[in-house]
Amino acid sequence: GAVVSQHPSWVICKSGTSVKIECRSLDFQATTMFWYRQFPKQSLMLMATSNEGSKATYEQGVEKDKFLINHASLTLSTLTVTSAHPEDSSFYICSASDQTGNSPLHFGNGTRLTVT
Amino acid sequence: DAKTTQPTSMDCAEGRAANLPCNHSTISGNEYVYWYRQIHSQGPQYIIHGLKNNETNEMASLIITEDRKSSTLILPHATLRDTAVYYCIVRPSGSARQLTFGSGTQLTVLP
Repeated sequence: GAVVSQHPSWVICKSGTSVKIECRSLDFQATTMFWYRQFPKQSLMLMATSNEGSKATYEQGVEKDKFLINHASLTLSTLTVTSAHPEDSSFYICSASDQTGNSPLHFGNGTRLTVT
Repeated sequence: DAKTTQPTSMDCAEGRAANLPCNHSTISGNEYVYWYRQIHSQGPQYIIHGLKNNETNEMASLIITEDRKSSTLILPHATLRDTAVYYCIVRPSGSARQLTFGSGTQLTVLP
């Protein structure tokens, strides 16, 4: 089945630094990737939709200048958390669509970000 | 997208069938029912999906009522590793749409 790889699986960074998270589709071309965030004991919340070769679409309340998304190829999307603060500590998860039909989305295993 | 309603939590004895209900009374004709699960600190895992016919795969069975307003995910022989949060999601076909997650059902399989 389709595999989505996310890296790193966990990262600890100091407040004020930037962190880049990669999301790769390993065996299919992902024209669209989605970035989610999940706080403890809560459900996944969509942050942004990333389309290959174009600007990402952000959900209301998500700062596009803080969460930079790049989707430069059909197999790679990156999320950069800029000037991270402790409140950005969360579980970040990407997913990818391999078709525009009703095929299921596949998810990466998530990245646990801790900002100290 | 149509909203779904699921019980907050359920318990199931190991080896028994786990039946997880989901209500989606406002589902549209072109919306599929998807089931995912999330084991603690992992990304969601796809389980099964369907439109109106019952579906079965190696993981589970999906029973959709004739009016499509509700469905049941069946894990035929639950194991301890099936303990997870199970999400029922409805999503239109025909476009690369995101999945909108509700609160899901915490299934705990008891030894």
